[in-house]
Amino acid sequence: GIQVEQSPPDLILQEGANSTLRCNFSDSVNNLQWFHQNPWGQLINLFYIPSGTKQNGRLSATTVATERYSLLYISSSQTTDSGVYFCAVEGRIKAAGNKLTFGGGTRVLVKP
Amino acid sequence: DAGITQSPRHKVTETGTPVTLRCHQTENHRYMYWYRQDPGHGLRLIHYSYGVKDTDKGEVSDGYSVSRSKTEDFLLTLESATSSQTSVYFCATTPYIQAETQYFGPGTRLLVL
Repeated sequence: GIQVEQSPPDLILQEGANSTLRCNFSDSVNNLQWFHQNPWGQLINLFYIPSGTKQNGRLSATTVATERYSLLYISSSQTTDSGVYFCAVEGRIKAAGNKLTFGGGTRVLVKP
Repeated sequence: DAGITQSPRHKVTETGTPVTLRCHQTENHRYMYWYRQDPGHGLRLIHYSYGVKDTDKGEVSDGYSVSRSKTEDFLLTLESATSSQTSVYFCATTPYIQAETQYFGPGTRLLVL
């Protein structure tokens, strides 16, 4: 099946700093989503971005499908950005149902 | 969160006992999923459902079964729990196959002693 690798595994930031998280995937994808898991465990979708660029406030994401990677940018980080960021994909060849394969995540800690 | 609840939220059980986890959604979403989350592995798909009584296996389905008799409920059963099934279990839903997001429940923390 499709492989998803995220880097770095851990990131410590000072409040106000900018950062870039990377997601590499091993095959063409129909679906790519970024999620944030807060310190209480809740998973929230940030972006649906199988290709192109999107922005939502201080967060933005870019996927270069031809080169099989996606980037998540966090600008002017805040302590509430702490948590784990997951990239999840669905390969282009699929039987049914929006089935996602998750990367291992990037754990982000933003210090005040 | 698409009105997704999971029960129980925490459970401690002993090896060899059966365990059933429940996912309940109020959004009439067609697709439902069970994932497990373990350190170093992210989330891995156990089983999913694409309609009432329609289910299929995911990446790590061994030792698990599921049932969906109503749109709103998706049950995950560990027939005979093992210590390797200690994990956090998440349910997710999505309304249709091309949907742009999955909505996740709050998770169930299971400890098998």
